[in-house]
Amino acid sequence: GAVVSQHPSWVICKSGTSVKIECRSLDFQATTMFWYRQFPKQSLMLMATSNEGSKATYEQGVEKDKFLINHASLTLSTLTVTSAHPEDSSFYICSASPGTYPYEQYFGPGTRLTVT
Amino acid sequence: AQTVTQSQPEMSVQEAETVTLSCTYDTSESDYYLFWYKQPPSRQMILVIRQEAYKQQNATENRFSVNFQKAAKSFSLKISDSQLGDAAMYFCAYRSVTGTASKLTFGTGTRLQVTL
Repeated sequence: GAVVSQHPSWVICKSGTSVKIECRSLDFQATTMFWYRQFPKQSLMLMATSNEGSKATYEQGVEKDKFLINHASLTLSTLTVTSAHPEDSSFYICSASPGTYPYEQYFGPGTRLTVT
Repeated sequence: AQTVTQSQPEMSVQEAETVTLSCTYDTSESDYYLFWYKQPPSRQMILVIRQEAYKQQNATENRFSVNFQKAAKSFSLKISDSQLGDAAMYFCAYRSVTGTASKLTFGTGTRLQVTL
């Protein structure tokens, strides 16, 4: 149980275009989802926290107009990178929490974004 | 704000031997969760072990055990009978117990190599 999927697993886009990444909880309802960014050989950096039906809470320094997060249902959250640039190239990981004790976070497999 | 420090960027262990990964953290909270996550080359985050701060007993999961020293704010991971499949990045993480949407704060990670 507690499976989280991400789609796509790898995406290449051209500079200036937008790309959407989906995060789905497959066998539980996720009241909270988290989006992380991971640069090569570095740790995970939390970008934002989203609760179903509410606006996402962004971490300091994360551009909310550039990284649009939508948590429209209890099983789906999306991250849209708008007007992507090469510096947005990174590994994006989502996690989902069912909102019940012990509020565990279950991680998706990640999405590698390359902006050319 | 909470911080998590992993002072060992890389560690190496021979197969079947025991290795200990170090983690220290800083917090003003009295109750919280601590985790060790494994990230293999696939980059899927895998929960290794969880410790609740109010529990004095050290958590154990098969070959994995922790040494939790609350006063010293130390949380080390011991891997016994190391296997080739243990080779990965290991991240120590902290999570507050306040609220259901508590975020994880990760350390910088320790890369573990397992040699024959």
